[in-house]
Amino acid sequence: DVVMTQSPLSLPVIPGQPASISCRSSQSLVHSDGNTYLDWFLQRPGQSPRRLIYKISNRDSGVPDRFSGSGSDTDFTLKISRVEAEDVGVYYCMQGTHWPPTFGGGTMVETK
Amino acid sequence: EVQLVESEGDMVKPGGSLRLSCIASGFTFSSYAMHWVRQAPGQGLEWVSSISRTSAYIYYADSVKGRFTISRDNAKNSLYLQMNSLRAEDTAVYFCAREALSGYTNDFWGQGTLVTVSS
Repeated sequence: DVVMTQSPLSLPVIPGQPASISCRSSQSLVHSDGNTYLDWFLQRPGQSPRRLIYKISNRDSGVPDRFSGSGSDTDFTLKISRVEAEDVGVYYCMQGTHWPPTFGGGTMVETK
Repeated sequence: EVQLVESEGDMVKPGGSLRLSCIASGFTFSSYAMHWVRQAPGQGLEWVSSISRTSAYIYYADSVKGRFTISRDNAKNSLYLQMNSLRAEDTAVYFCAREALSGYTNDFWGQGTLVTVSS
């Protein structure tokens, strides 16, 4: 299975400041169809995961533009330009390119 | 509005069985593949099982193969997970999730249901 490694484990951020989360895969996530199936999810406390970003950099409907995804091949990043209180929670990356789908271990974002 | 509502979880003894349900609304259920994903207490996310739109293709994680059975009833907009020979390590919140029409990603998740396996 593809191993997804996230860093950091925990990210304390001052509201209004930027935040960046890294996700690395154990093998290339470029699919034979040319797409790269790398998603980002946010799980707020006590809630189910909500998809924020799909195929590296596409924001889901209703996701603020302060969230952006980038990267390629095996190295991906989620950036929050200015963290707000509602952004607190655990962020997960997930790959869908290779079977079975696998998730990163999560990054907990909290405000200072 | 897309909704996925899982049945209430339960506490079962090791070796016991439990059937989870997930009722879908707000979209054409029969057009989407569906998944079960679980999260052990304080842990990350683990994919468990998937089923295609017509049930023609079914997949399981190695950790549940031979013990869990996924199924669906498109007429009832329902997804199921029959869990047998439960172990303590199956204790988790179980989420049903919809696979996007384009595939390779889960775009909507249910609220999850807690299954506790303990004597």
